[in-house]
Amino acid sequence: QKEVEQNSGPLSVPEGAIASLNCTYSDRGSQSFFWYRQYSGKSPELIMFIYSNGDKEDGRFTAQLNKASQYVSLLIRDSQPSDSATYLCAVDTGRRALTFGSGTRLQVQP
Amino acid sequence: GAVVSQHPSWVICKSGTSVKIECRSLDFQATTMFWYRQFPKQSLMLMATSNEGSKATYEQGVEKDKFLINHASLTLSTLTVTSAHPEDSSFYICSARHQGDYGYTFGSGTRLTVV
Repeated sequence: QKEVEQNSGPLSVPEGAIASLNCTYSDRGSQSFFWYRQYSGKSPELIMFIYSNGDKEDGRFTAQLNKASQYVSLLIRDSQPSDSATYLCAVDTGRRALTFGSGTRLQVQP
Repeated sequence: GAVVSQHPSWVICKSGTSVKIECRSLDFQATTMFWYRQFPKQSLMLMATSNEGSKATYEQGVEKDKFLINHASLTLSTLTVTSAHPEDSSFYICSARHQGDYGYTFGSGTRLTVV
C-alpha cells in the first residue's frame, strides 16, 4: 500500500464547476497535510495546508480533513481553465520530509 | 517571504561529466533542505535530506557517491550529480521548510538532460 494515494485522473470538469480532488494516507500519525499545484515542467506551488479535522477555506479553495478516515480532499469552486494542472497531496508524517502522492491531473474545459 | 532559489533551471551535459545544482534560501535560514527527483508523469521522490554542517541522509536506493550533497551554510545546499548518465536525466527540485508556517517552499527545479 502506498503511503499517500491519489487517483491519477485526468479529472475533467467544465469551467465554473466544482472540482473535487481526493487523497488517502496510511500513516495514522501523520500531522499535517498539504495540497500543491504543479504545472507541466514547473515546480510545485503550495495551495493550502491543513492539520485539524474539518474544513479550511481560502478563496475558491477548501481543504477537508478527516483523520479518522485518513482522508484529505481539496475542493476548487468556480473552476477556471488556468486551474488545469496536476494537484499533489503531501503528508508530513513527522519524518521531516513530505511524502507525496502521485498527483491528480485536473482538466478544466472552457 | 520564504523564497528558495535554485540554479541552473536547465542544463545539458555529456555522459560521464558532473553537474552541480545550487539551492539557496533567500530570506530565511534553512538548517534542513530536501532534494527530490521527478521523472515524467511521476510524482516527486525524495532523494536525500541535507543537513547544515553534517552529512546528508539518503533515501534507500539513492547512491550517495553519485549524488553528492553539501550543505555548508544555513542558506545554501548543493547537489552534484557525478559521472552523469542518460538515466540520470530528470527534474531535480530542492525544498526547505520555513519555520514561520507549515509550508515547505520549493525551488524552481532543474531540468537535467544527459546526452
